[in-house]
Amino acid sequence: AQKITQTQPGMFVQEKEAVTLDCTYDTSDQSYGLFWYKQPSSGEMIFLIYQGSYDEQNATEGRYSLNFQKARKSANLVISASQLGDSAMYFCAMRGPRGYQKVTFGTGTKLQVIP
Amino acid sequence: GAVVSQHPSRVICKSGTSVKIECRSLDFQATTMFWYRQFPKQSLMLMATSNEGSKATYEQGVEKDKFLINHASLTLSTLTVTSAHPEDSSFYICSASPPLPAGGQGDTQYFGPGTRLTVL
Repeated sequence: AQKITQTQPGMFVQEKEAVTLDCTYDTSDQSYGLFWYKQPSSGEMIFLIYQGSYDEQNATEGRYSLNFQKARKSANLVISASQLGDSAMYFCAMRGPRGYQKVTFGTGTKLQVIP
Repeated sequence: GAVVSQHPSRVICKSGTSVKIECRSLDFQATTMFWYRQFPKQSLMLMATSNEGSKATYEQGVEKDKFLINHASLTLSTLTVTSAHPEDSSFYICSASPPLPAGGQGDTQYFGPGTRLTVL
């Protein structure tokens, strides 16, 4: 079974500052994938970044980077230079081995960017 | 990224009626689509896995006769909430994954914009 834990129900960050959203996971699979999604108040789920369990380098996508620490089973999302439009719910998610597409979501972190 | 659409975006219906929600992958074929339900301020809960050409796989606790899923083609899956009641009011979101690239590991799920169902 897969389990995703997000321990921060809410976070505040000053505009232009960096922020780290925590995510830990538990799985018995050797191969798995980790995702971060953003959900603004409109409700749509926006894909941000993906990290494969065998990827040796941390994933980066623009202002988003994933701090992947496999031994600690953590996959924190780092947002650099926060913008007001970053205010949203952020969900960490994982799937099992490649080809097994079922995804488990964490409980989410509500990020608010302060001007 | 890949585009997934949902229709309608919002629906209000009377108790006892049935509501159909469509999920389409616009620029790729998806043999598998997923249906999620999200209550206010909560995470997404997987309801069922929709498989093209075969029966859907439902998660534990989800009534298959209540939530009918039909994956009629490689680009369309439908969720029908039958005899809807106020407790079925929720945000329903579908997702789909493009075919896995050769030699790649990424199989990102792309989500539709969601359908907000309100049952009066």
